[in-house]
Amino acid sequence: DTEVTQTPKHLVMGMTNKKSLKCEQHMGHRAMYWYKQKAKKPPELMFVYSYEKLSINESVPSRFSPECPNSSLLNLHLHALQPEDSALYLCASSQDPFLSGVKYFGAGTRLSVL
Amino acid sequence: SQQGEEDPQALSIQEGENATMNCSYKTSINNLQWYRQNSGRGLVHLILIRSNEREKHSGRLRVTLDTSKKSSSLLITASRAADTASYFCATDTYGGSQGNLIFGKGTKLSVKP
Repeated sequence: DTEVTQTPKHLVMGMTNKKSLKCEQHMGHRAMYWYKQKAKKPPELMFVYSYEKLSINESVPSRFSPECPNSSLLNLHLHALQPEDSALYLCASSQDPFLSGVKYFGAGTRLSVL
Repeated sequence: SQQGEEDPQALSIQEGENATMNCSYKTSINNLQWYRQNSGRGLVHLILIRSNEREKHSGRLRVTLDTSKKSSSLLITASRAADTASYFCATDTYGGSQGNLIFGKGTKLSVKP
């Protein structure tokens, strides 16, 4: 099973809403990532979790709050977002954060902030 | 920040033709990877080439790497309509530290039946 599952597939939220994105993998991977991708742009790294601990935060605004409850799950909590935060949010995992290797991506959550 | 720069930005070919995409990068790398993305969905890993390798094949895909020129190319032979997608090169620049990937801007490939 090489699947990374992201839910929901689509999300529309107002600027005062609180919502969460969920990511799950059962490959035993110990590194998990959140990427943000705007239309016609490449993915940009937001956060890295290594062995369930946050190891990289790429200067992401505090209205995005990641959480890794266990080695299989990664959440991204959203609060007070801005319309410019509308994008495709991609979760990825890899076997070991200290080994260069393949990243497995989920299908993404298409977020629209009204 | 972006590391790789692909060219062309867009490529339109007929089914059966070969498609070549190029990628240039700026810093030393541990490996370079190519990913495909269909219409705003998730990325699918295609091939990884390590810094000490010069060429790699996988099915209809051929990747070359020239570390002296800091460039790579992806060749898709005998293209099919199903190959229509955006293709990104991504470099692993930390040499194993956190395994961060930095993506290029991508090439949008359109294969017409």
